[in-house]
Amino acid sequence: GQNIDQPTEMTATEGAIVQINCTYQTSGFNGLFWYQQHAGEAPTFLSYNVLDGLEEKGRFSSFLSRSKGYSYLLLKELQMKDSASYLCAVTRGGGYNKLIFGAGTRLAVHP
Amino acid sequence: SQTIHQWPATLVQPVGSPLSLECTVEGTSNPNLYWYRQAAGRGLQLLFYSVGIGQISSEVPQNLSASRPQDRQFILSSKKLLLSDSGFYLCAWSGGNYEQYFGPGTRLTVT
Repeated sequence: GQNIDQPTEMTATEGAIVQINCTYQTSGFNGLFWYQQHAGEAPTFLSYNVLDGLEEKGRFSSFLSRSKGYSYLLLKELQMKDSASYLCAVTRGGGYNKLIFGAGTRLAVHP
Repeated sequence: SQTIHQWPATLVQPVGSPLSLECTVEGTSNPNLYWYRQAAGRGLQLLFYSVGIGQISSEVPQNLSASRPQDRQFILSSKKLLLSDSGFYLCAWSGGNYEQYFGPGTRLTVT
């Protein structure tokens, strides 16, 4: 079966750095996505990791270790607008790009 | 560029009434299409996916059904709504890569 674990909630201070972890167990793993979802809105794409290592994109970076079934999303120079849920999702091969989502981590950024 | 539309944006329906939610995609051909449901404070649950016209795969047995009458149209339906059908319904599409792009969503409240 599949299992994706993320912390339910996190808090951080404006300007700080926060790391959101995701662990997964799934057969036929192909890659891992991070999405951002503001309350009441649709998820928006942040990153996609297929190979081990760190992918950096501006203030956001994502890391993947396939052997450990582990990923993290690193947010630097936090801003109030970063308050949102962050969804970890794994994709399996099969030709139809099926995504399995974790429950998400609600991040609250305080001044 | 590609865009994805969903309507209605919000819907309040009594228990036992029918449901029809529509999703259309513009700017791409032969997309994979997906219906997700997100209960309050929960992750995204994949309900249906489609790789082509008339081809529907169900992920979770329930009183919902999906249809794809045209290449870029995906419809979610129910003959009789249950209270447990309340949630945020998201349509998504994907193309040649694994990234999924989400529509704005429909918030359904069953009373």
